[in-house]
Amino acid sequence: GAVVSQHPSRVICKSGTSVKIECRSLDFQATTMFWYRQFPKQSLMLMATSNEGSKATYEQGVEKDKFLINHASLTLSTLTVTSAHPEDSSFYICSASANWVVRGNYGYTFGSGTRLTVV
Amino acid sequence: AQKITQTQPGMFVQEKEAVTLDCTYDTSDQSYGLFWYKQPSSGEMIFLIYQGSYDEQNATEGRYSLNFQKARKSANLVISASQLGDSAMYFCAMREGLTGRRALTFGSGTRLQVQP
Repeated sequence: GAVVSQHPSRVICKSGTSVKIECRSLDFQATTMFWYRQFPKQSLMLMATSNEGSKATYEQGVEKDKFLINHASLTLSTLTVTSAHPEDSSFYICSASANWVVRGNYGYTFGSGTRLTVV
Repeated sequence: AQKITQTQPGMFVQEKEAVTLDCTYDTSDQSYGLFWYKQPSSGEMIFLIYQGSYDEQNATEGRYSLNFQKARKSANLVISASQLGDSAMYFCAMREGLTGRRALTFGSGTRLQVQP
């Protein structure tokens, strides 16, 4: 089945530094990647949508200069949290979709998530 | 307005019993899909079941079934014969439109605890 590899799974960084999170589709081409953020005991909130080769579309209230998304190829999308602050501490998870329905998950394959802690 | 509403923040169920997790949705699209995911404490999103808006039969996947009532805009998840390993957060989600080009919208989730 389709697999999205997300790294790192956990990261602790100092306030003011940048952190890059990678999502790689291993056995299919992800035409669209969705990035979500999940605060403790809350739901997944969409941050941005990226299509391969074009600029990401950010949801209202998400700072595009702070959360840089790159989707340079059909198998790799990255989210960079720039100048991270403690309030950016959260669980970040990607979800890849393809132009076809993958048997078993109906088009959406999630990464395993990244737990970011900014100290 | 909330597109996906899950009104049960937490549910308890005895092992081996059945449990229903509620989900209502709101959309003006004729074509949409409804999903249920399980999220254990590790954080991964585990796909459980899918129901398309044009599907006439309720979806079933093993111990999971989806009680789809289109007129009431509800898509409740039924878990039969609960197991201790079913303890987790459960999210209902919706995709508006037919393709995966649009993101899923998630409900607030229900924390299910299965008691021995």
